[in-house]
Amino acid sequence: KAGVTQTPRYLIKTRGQQVTLSCSPISGHRSVSWYQQTPGQGLQFLFEYFSETQRNKGNFPGRFSGRQFSNSRSEMNVSTLELGDSALYLCASMETSGIDTQYFGPGTRLTVL
Amino acid sequence: LAKTTQPISMDSYEGQEVNITCSHNNIATNDYITWYQQFPSQGPRFIIQGYKTKVTNEVASLFIPADRKSSTLSLPRVSLSDTAVYYCLVGRVGGSTLGRLYFGRGTQLTVWP
Repeated sequence: KAGVTQTPRYLIKTRGQQVTLSCSPISGHRSVSWYQQTPGQGLQFLFEYFSETQRNKGNFPGRFSGRQFSNSRSEMNVSTLELGDSALYLCASMETSGIDTQYFGPGTRLTVL
Repeated sequence: LAKTTQPISMDSYEGQEVNITCSHNNIATNDYITWYQQFPSQGPRFIIQGYKTKVTNEVASLFIPADRKSSTLSLPRVSLSDTAVYYCLVGRVGGSTLGRLYFGRGTQLTVWP
């Protein structure tokens, strides 16, 4: 099976802009989680979508949002970008039966100038 | 959720066996143990997972004592390419994590020639 894919891999934006990141999960996986990774805070959970519904949410401001489509692909949107949003954004997919093993994509490196 | 404690860093030389121990004193009955490997600017890669005793795959072995309050990831004959951060996580079975994994700071393993 193909792994989790994320596009784009690299992105440069300026403050105040918005950005949309995309994630395609492993075939058959219906759960998609998003994480933000920075040197200072490590890996932090943003939110999780399952069957097109947000099922869990981390402690991030409302500027961070997401959605999931019927084919389980997911997008994450960040509006009104701030310098502190510069990070590696990771998407992970998971089977929803049995053990919760998440498989991660390569990430999108977002730089906000 | 069971908190995990692991060394911040470890050093080894090529060809040696490396053992990274993780402490999880408050592990619950239905928690399992998972290890991930992460290279800079890449997503975490699933290495191995287990519940008790010993689990082995083509990459590593995982040793879990009877009380399950700790676990040891064993990497046989490491090479320079094993230099990475290794994360130990505990999680529940059966979809109860709702897609959220808690990553600590991990262990930075550096392999020297």
